[in-house]
Amino acid sequence: DSGVTQTPKHLITATGQRVTLRCSPRSGDLSVYWYQQSLDQGLQFLIQYYNGEERAKGNILERFSAQQFPDLHSELNLSSLELGDSALYFCASSLGFSYNEQFFGPGTRLTVL
Amino acid sequence: AQSVTQLGSHVSVSEGALVLLRCNYSSSVPPYLFWYVQYPNQGLQLLLKYTSAATLVKGINGFEAEFKKSETSFHLTKPSAHMSDAAEYFCAVSLYNNNDMRFGAGTRLTVKP
Repeated sequence: DSGVTQTPKHLITATGQRVTLRCSPRSGDLSVYWYQQSLDQGLQFLIQYYNGEERAKGNILERFSAQQFPDLHSELNLSSLELGDSALYFCASSLGFSYNEQFFGPGTRLTVL
Repeated sequence: AQSVTQLGSHVSVSEGALVLLRCNYSSSVPPYLFWYVQYPNQGLQLLLKYTSAATLVKGINGFEAEFKKSETSFHLTKPSAHMSDAAEYFCAVSLYNNNDMRFGAGTRLTVKP
């Protein structure tokens, strides 16, 4: 158990819909990272927040957004969903320095029908 | 920006044989390097990390990796494969001046009895 929790575990929705994925980091970690993992794209870094502020952006679509709240939990919002958005979405957390390893949550499996 | 390349998307070994998973990195400054393992339907788990101390790094489950600056490599090895080592392995790199960890495409290890 990494100490990172993600809800929900599974999510099934339809094209065009909007969903919110939630992540609670390990106690004491200030950074939260979001990743998308799919068969064709592999593990893609989406976005990083550090202590409530956006720190780094990867291959995140404009239809996707995230935020980190004062209690350090984070939410990833996915809107106007397309079939191709079906994937595993991982959250990871770390203390916040680049030499610190990231601890991964169990993931949310999103299926868009 | 930093990046890693994992050579070989699939590696198959016999139980008891040497495991060698290859990773080459690219960065403009000294990197921090990581190996993660992902078992089916789980998040990623850190195996080991290099943060500019000893070049030979020992990790969990009998794995180790050697940082070779001249070859820009950080290959993962284990002397004797076990069936439980079957998983996907990811090499990752981050830099001291950013928190953006980049992952390789992954190598799926199969262990034959």
